[in-house]
Amino acid sequence: GQSLEQPSEVTAVEGAIVQINCTYQTSGFYGLSWYQQHDGGAPTFLSYNALDGLEETGRFSSFLSRSDSYGYLLLQELQMKDSASYFCAVNNQGGKLIFGQGTELSVKP
Amino acid sequence: DSGVTQTPKHLITATGQRVTLRCSPRSGDLSVYWYQQSLDQGLQFLIQYYNGEERAKGNILERFSAQQFPDLHSELNLSSLELGDSALYFCASGGPNTEAFFGQGTRLTVV
Repeated sequence: GQSLEQPSEVTAVEGAIVQINCTYQTSGFYGLSWYQQHDGGAPTFLSYNALDGLEETGRFSSFLSRSDSYGYLLLQELQMKDSASYFCAVNNQGGKLIFGQGTELSVKP
Repeated sequence: DSGVTQTPKHLITATGQRVTLRCSPRSGDLSVYWYQQSLDQGLQFLIQYYNGEERAKGNILERFSAQQFPDLHSELNLSSLELGDSALYFCASGGPNTEAFFGQGTRLTVV
């Protein structure tokens, strides 16, 4: 079967750094993506890793280790607006996404 | 704005009924993906169409069906609705192994 594991919730304070881990077990792996979703709105793309290593996009970075079936999303200089749900997703054959259950991030003042 | 359009935004219907959800992909995208998100859950892949043909199937119930038309818009048909079908239904488009663009979703409530 295919499964992804990520923490259900994380709390951090404004200005801090938070890391959301994701482990996966799947076939047909092409890469690991991260999406942000605010209150049932449209998921929006944050990052994609096809190869091992770190990808940096502004305050957000994502890491992948294919040998460990592990990745993480790193959010720096947290802002209140970063409070949302964050999903890791395996990019599977044909482009379909297999999502984790999501991590709810609460940023406190 | 992702460029993906879904209608309607909200739908309330009774058990046993049938509804149709509509999705227009981003201009130039040939693939359409349908996902279901139940309360406080992740998104579950339902089905993918590419240029009018079914490309991949996920955990889609037999009561659900979809199609993609020549103009590339897609419809998801849900029939014999049950209370448990209440969920957000998202459509997405984009190329394989790149960013997926999601519509705003249709919130279906079955009463």
